[in-house]
Amino acid sequence: EIVLTQSPATLSLSPGERATLSCRASQSVGSSLVWYQQKPGQAPRLLIYDASNRATGIPARFSGSGSGTDFTLTISSLESEDFAIYYCQQRASWPITFGQGTQLEIK
Amino acid sequence: QLQLQESGPGLVKPAETLSLTCTVSGGSISSSSYFWGWIRQPPGKGLEWIASIHYTGNANTYYSPSLNSRVTISGDTSKNQFSLNLNSVTDADTAVYFCARRSTLLGYSYDYWGQGTLVTVSS
Repeated sequence: EIVLTQSPATLSLSPGERATLSCRASQSVGSSLVWYQQKPGQAPRLLIYDASNRATGIPARFSGSGSGTDFTLTISSLESEDFAIYYCQQRASWPITFGQGTQLEIK
Repeated sequence: QLQLQESGPGLVKPAETLSLTCTVSGGSISSSSYFWGWIRQPPGKGLEWIASIHYTGNANTYYSPSLNSRVTISGDTSKNQFSLNLNSVTDADTAVYFCARRSTLLGYSYDYWGQGTLVTVSS
């Protein structure tokens, strides 16, 4: 099973700042990495698939990068609605696994 | 617009079987372009994939190794529903259970989710 480790666990930033979230895989997943955003009481929302492709309707301030074992989700300038929990997920091999999440909170 | 809706008991007794159904509208579960799955989230914790089903003529099923011995996923294409059975539940199975669509067209990502249903295991 591929283990995904997200860092930091919590990130405290202010609106307008740049957020950089990391996801590291225990073995290579190629570009088979997905990012989701989850707000309290809601289902996760797809942000990025195949490491760097924005899903439909996702603002351009969200970008994904990386390949192999190291991946990054960047939010270029935080808006108030971006404060949430972010999860990465790999689909390179069964079983599908998720990272433990990064909570992005308002400083 | 695709919609997924979970249904089933919100309370299950320990050692009994948790049964949930996901009703899909606006799309067919028998399309080979999509997998249909269950993902759960214990209160205050992260996401855990449980199982998936995929139709390529026949139904192909995939299970989390940690739950494999207790879980079954099945589909009813005539009703456009798929279901989850998890037996011998304990309080560790208390979670919000989501059903979701996994799209082969979007990097095999989960692009549509149900709202989730909280299942509590308690006597």
